[in-house]
Amino acid sequence: KQEVTQIPAALSVPEGENLVLNCSFTDSAIYNLQWFRQDPGKGLTSLLLIQSSQREQTSGRLNASLDKSSGRSTLYIAASQPGDSATYLCAVLSTNAGKSTFGDGTTLTVKP
Amino acid sequence: GAVVSQHPSWVICKSGTSVKIECRSLDFQATTMFWYRQFPKQSLMLMATSNEGSKATYEQGVEKDKFLINHASLTLSTLTVTSAHPEDSSFYICSARDLFHEQYFGPGTRLTVT
Repeated sequence: KQEVTQIPAALSVPEGENLVLNCSFTDSAIYNLQWFRQDPGKGLTSLLLIQSSQREQTSGRLNASLDKSSGRSTLYIAASQPGDSATYLCAVLSTNAGKSTFGDGTTLTVKP
Repeated sequence: GAVVSQHPSWVICKSGTSVKIECRSLDFQATTMFWYRQFPKQSLMLMATSNEGSKATYEQGVEKDKFLINHASLTLSTLTVTSAHPEDSSFYICSARDLFHEQYFGPGTRLTVT
């Protein structure tokens, strides 16, 4: 059974810092890994999708990497802004599963 | 990017009544849709997976007779909370998966049962 862990559970940084969020998973037989953000009281917004054959994906100030062999993904946020404050979740779709397994998320606070 | 809508965005109902929530993929076909619920400051909890034209698969502990799911077309899934009680009050979120296995979420529906 796939298990997804996100560390840390919460992170507070001053504006302008570069930061890394971590996601680890136990079963490397994955189809893809997806990063989302959730603002309070809202649905989830898809940030980046990495297919199992890819090593990284970039969108603006965001860069997500994937290392299947070690069961890890990182989300790098450059030059953080207060508007980046949200909960970030990673979700892993295993090859033998019809549904993704979500981590519990990292709640990020960027202080002005 | 792909858009998933949910309706209504919030609803208040009296205990014992039923409430229907609609989830639509607006610009893509979704062979699979998912329904989640989320309590304040807690993680998403998957309730069920629905595939177009077939019965939904419910997660352990989710009452299928209470949470009726219908996936009538490739762009529409509905969740009906039957005989709602105050403990059913929650934030319900749907998501849809496209042909490339990317998942998109709706904005959520806040249900309050009085």
